[in-house]
Amino acid sequence: ETGVTQSPTHLIKTRGQQVTLRCSSQSGHNTVSWYQQALGQGPQFIFQYYREEENGRGNFPPRFSGLQFPNYSSELNVNALELDDSALYLCASSPWEGEAFFGQGTRLTVV
Amino acid sequence: DQQVKQNSPSLSVQEGRISILNCDYTNSMFDYFLWYKKYPAEGPTFLISISSIKDKNEDGRFTVFLNKSAKHLSLHIVPSQPGDSAVYFCAASVRDYKLSFGAGTTVTVRA
Repeated sequence: ETGVTQSPTHLIKTRGQQVTLRCSSQSGHNTVSWYQQALGQGPQFIFQYYREEENGRGNFPPRFSGLQFPNYSSELNVNALELDDSALYLCASSPWEGEAFFGQGTRLTVV
Repeated sequence: DQQVKQNSPSLSVQEGRISILNCDYTNSMFDYFLWYKKYPAEGPTFLISISSIKDKNEDGRFTVFLNKSAKHLSLHIVPSQPGDSAVYFCAASVRDYKLSFGAGTTVTVRA
């Protein structure tokens, strides 16, 4: 039990649609990061938020965007979905220094 | 550009024996290394970490070794147990920033 919960657990969307994934972090964890894990690969960093500000971004296009809220919840938004966006999306929270705790992930399928 | 590599996609070991998982990295700026364990339908769970100022860290049955000159780290599990069967990810970061993951090694512990 990591204290990080994600919703929904599974989602099917059509190409071109928009999707919002949600994460509830551990209380007191100021940092939240989002990762994309494609089949057979390790998680790839999308972006990180620290105290509601974006604190860094991986090699993902602008149609991937996020928000972090004061109540330790956060969102990942993806616009104009593509088939290659099908993956497991992981949210991870951490104090400013320390290991990241992951949620169980949201499995997104784009058809 | 894959900065963290796990060249063995799978490992099969007999219960009670030692499991050795290997990981190589290319970015000399990495100063913090972690191992995560992942079961199907769950998010990665933190296992053990090591700072670049150390060459060994031990926690129960798990020991991580770091060889900075070779840019190589390994995870030893002794003795291996059936519950250790999972996918193991090596990850690295610069100053607790984003994690760069390897592709994972699937460990199967045989009874």
